[in-house]
Amino acid sequence: DTGVSQDPRHKITKRGQNVTFRCDPISEHNRLYWYRQTLGQGPEFLTYFQNEAQLEKSRLLSDRFSAERPKGSFSTLEIQRTEQGDSAMYLCASSHSGRGNEKLFFGSGTQLSVL
Amino acid sequence: QKEVEQDPGPLSVPEGAIVSLNCTYSNSAFQYFMWYRQYSRKGPELLMYTYSSGNKEDGRFTAQVDKSSKYISLFIRDSQPSDSATYLCAMTTQGGSEKLVFGKGTKLTVNP
Repeated sequence: DTGVSQDPRHKITKRGQNVTFRCDPISEHNRLYWYRQTLGQGPEFLTYFQNEAQLEKSRLLSDRFSAERPKGSFSTLEIQRTEQGDSAMYLCASSHSGRGNEKLFFGSGTQLSVL
Repeated sequence: QKEVEQDPGPLSVPEGAIVSLNCTYSNSAFQYFMWYRQYSRKGPELLMYTYSSGNKEDGRFTAQVDKSSKYISLFIRDSQPSDSATYLCAMTTQGGSEKLVFGKGTKLTVNP
């Protein structure tokens, strides 16, 4: 396994700009998750996909956030009209459902700073 | 009241000490419990996964779950400086990990 890969590692943007992050999961994993982590807090669930279907979205995911997973492989998370409150670490994780003890494997995250 | 409570520390111990990390939770529907380790500027790394009350041991790590008290613990024996990290407890109501609920994390420093 090459692990979960996220790009970019860091992103600095100005308030009001749009940003997009990419996540490449572990190749045989059919589930992909997005979490957000702010300083001093644990990760908070945003959304998850099983294959290409987005199965659940958190109330934290406002209309400015959109996630896609075309073809059930990599995923993108876009934030439109960024706000300073969007500054956080955005974590992607993947897992394989149906194996019983499902375990999430996280990437190193994308650190977003909105100025 | 948050669903999962975890003392953020920081916790500082000498090398070789036994470390005890704890979380309490309020939702009795939580059935699956995990401990993750997170180094600075990295993603969380799964350490332990348990789904029943009792103890589970893996090397120097022991995870303990007491569902009747809604209390989970992670013990680290013979702690090493390389154990210095933030330790996050996480739990979910379902067999899959669709929506893990995390604690805030406890920052641990092991001093040589």
